[in-house]
Amino acid sequence: IQLTQSPSFLSASVGDRVTMTCRASQTISSYFAWYQQEPGKAPKLLISSASTLQSGVPSRFSGSGSGTEFTLTISSLQPEDVATYYCQQLNSYPLTFGGGTKVEIK
Amino acid sequence: EVQLVVSGGGLVRPGRSLRLSCTASGLTFSNFAMNWVRQAPGKGLEWVSGISGSGASTGHADSVKGRFTISRDNSKNTVYLQMNSLKAEDTALYYCAKGADDDIFDAFDFWGQGTLVSVSS
Repeated sequence: IQLTQSPSFLSASVGDRVTMTCRASQTISSYFAWYQQEPGKAPKLLISSASTLQSGVPSRFSGSGSGTEFTLTISSLQPEDVATYYCQQLNSYPLTFGGGTKVEIK
Repeated sequence: EVQLVVSGGGLVRPGRSLRLSCTASGLTFSNFAMNWVRQAPGKGLEWVSGISGSGASTGHADSVKGRFTISRDNSKNTVYLQMNSLKAEDTALYYCAKGADDDIFDAFDFWGQGTLVSVSS
């Protein structure tokens, strides 16, 4: 299953609402996750099961979607959100990641 | 506190073998699936291999199938990645990642620090 993330790069101001999308090449269930990778660090799980926020993750992050289209939204972008965000499908092997969306502050 | 300590990376010539280890602490290891994910320099994430908590179920990416083998020793709290017939395109930072449950299709809720594998003549 191929995952296509868009946009690949996003520049926004502090406080902006930011949305990124991940499209799957075929219908998948809710076995879907979003990860954040800050520069030089290991990835961190933000959202599992398409919309379940992980413990400790700020509530400004939210996930939604089903079928072939999923979105990650940051309701109010903060400086510490500068990172690359990856989607992942866990519906079937081989597991796959999207190409990533790099977020920077304008 | 969960910790994943990865070791075994290094510089290796094409065609040779290498074994990575990931030792876990702070959890009941056999209750969780484990995975290997790699990231080539400047590139995105690529899932490599996964194994269920009991070790009964495994999976590998098409790019490594037949060359890499994932295994685990629950008595040592360690998961391994045996990498044979290494190619230049296997050069990457290799992460060990813990599944949220025993199910091999659970998200990866904790990641180790990564070990660099460089394949070059």
